[in-house]
Amino acid sequence: AQKITQTQPGMFVQEKEAVTLDCTYDTSDPSYGLFWYKQPSSGEMIFLIYQGSYDQQNATEGRYSLNFQKARKSANLVISASQLGDSAMYFCAMRDLGGFQKLVFGTGTRLLVSP
Amino acid sequence: SAVISQKPSRDICQRGTSLTIQCQVDSQVTMMFWYRQQPGQSLTLIATANQGSEATYESGFVIDKFPISRPNLTFSTLTVSNMSPEDSSIYLCSVDSRGFDTEAFFGQGTRLTVV
Repeated sequence: AQKITQTQPGMFVQEKEAVTLDCTYDTSDPSYGLFWYKQPSSGEMIFLIYQGSYDQQNATEGRYSLNFQKARKSANLVISASQLGDSAMYFCAMRDLGGFQKLVFGTGTRLLVSP
Repeated sequence: SAVISQKPSRDICQRGTSLTIQCQVDSQVTMMFWYRQQPGQSLTLIATANQGSEATYESGFVIDKFPISRPNLTFSTLTVSNMSPEDSSIYLCSVDSRGFDTEAFFGQGTRLTVV
């Protein structure tokens, strides 16, 4: 069975600094995808970044990058130059690829960006 | 990316009543997923809706409580039936954009409070 672990219930960072949100995963399937979502207080889930298990390069999307270490089964999200608007819950999720499988989510990390 | 319109965005309902949540996508998608997020918790899949067939429910969720319709490739509804305060949650629909399971987008969510 798939499992996602986010060990940081809360993180604090100062504006303009970088922050890393941890995510480890477990799956027996060799083909899988890893996702990060941002959930502001409004409740919507905003897709941030995706990493495939066979991707050779770490994924990047603007200020977001994913530090993918396959051997360690970790997929940490790095947010560079934090902004006040980055304050939100962040969820790591995964799914087996092929066949439109469900997403399995971690418990989330609440990020607070201070001025 | 897919544009997903979910209605209503929030509602307060009396116990014992039912609420139907709508999810409209701006493009045809194969699979639509319905998730529940209980207060302070992560997301849990309720069911997967494929057009033209019965929805597939996850363990712990039953059709009588959460009936789902999927009349075409761009629309789905989730009904929360005979509500109790324990049903107070955010309900979210999700789709795989353009048929690629490397992308998974969510609607704005429906914040349901049962009193």
